[in-house]
Amino acid sequence: EVQLVESGGGLVQPGRSLRLSCAASGFTFDDYAMHWVRQVPGKGLEWVSGINWNSGVIHYADSVKGRFTISRDNAKNSLYLQMNSLRPEDTALYYCAKDRPCAGGNCYYFDYWGQGILVTVSS
Amino acid sequence: QSALTQVASVSGSPGQSITISCTGTSSDIGGYNYVSWYQQHPGKAPKLIIYDVNIRPSGLSSRFSGSKSGNTASLTISGLQAEDEADYFCSSYTSSRTPVFGGGTKLTVL
Repeated sequence: EVQLVESGGGLVQPGRSLRLSCAASGFTFDDYAMHWVRQVPGKGLEWVSGINWNSGVIHYADSVKGRFTISRDNAKNSLYLQMNSLRPEDTALYYCAKDRPCAGGNCYYFDYWGQGILVTVSS
Repeated sequence: QSALTQVASVSGSPGQSITISCTGTSSDIGGYNYVSWYQQHPGKAPKLIIYDVNIRPSGLSSRFSGSKSGNTASLTISGLQAEDEADYFCSSYTSSRTPVFGGGTKLTVL
């Protein structure tokens, strides 16, 4: 059974940093790209960042580019999101999501999701 | 990249069919057949229910179907059931090589 478990969220002041982790199990982690997707409670979804299987291809949403860094440790079956210079508008539930490969290469389909971890940026 | 446009809410009675539309541009939905749909129940994580415009993941009910015409994608749910009441989000690959989601549609089963 695929499991994705996020950790590291919490309350942080604007301008500070936070590191999210996602522990993966139930599948061959280093066979798949992984993503972070966030959601303001009661609102829509926003893709944040994605990383391919060997960290060779990384993409970010414009809203976090230059502030957030995605990384992975295949030996530990773990995905990370380093969030710096946090802003109130970064407040959201952050989901770790597994990529579903497609014939086109990178289609951004998310077939398994964690339960989400809440990040609140406020003074 | 602006969010895809979805109507905020739709409703239907058990047994009926409903369609949720998702409108984008030629830089996303209109330019690629990489459209997906997600179902999200309150307090739960989203669940992939359609990918490649009209493909259902293994084991998903055939009551769910997807289509696309021009810059608009659609999700149809036939034979509505109480458990279908949820939020539905569309998503598309974009010319920026990143994905964009719709704002979501709340489905109420009357």
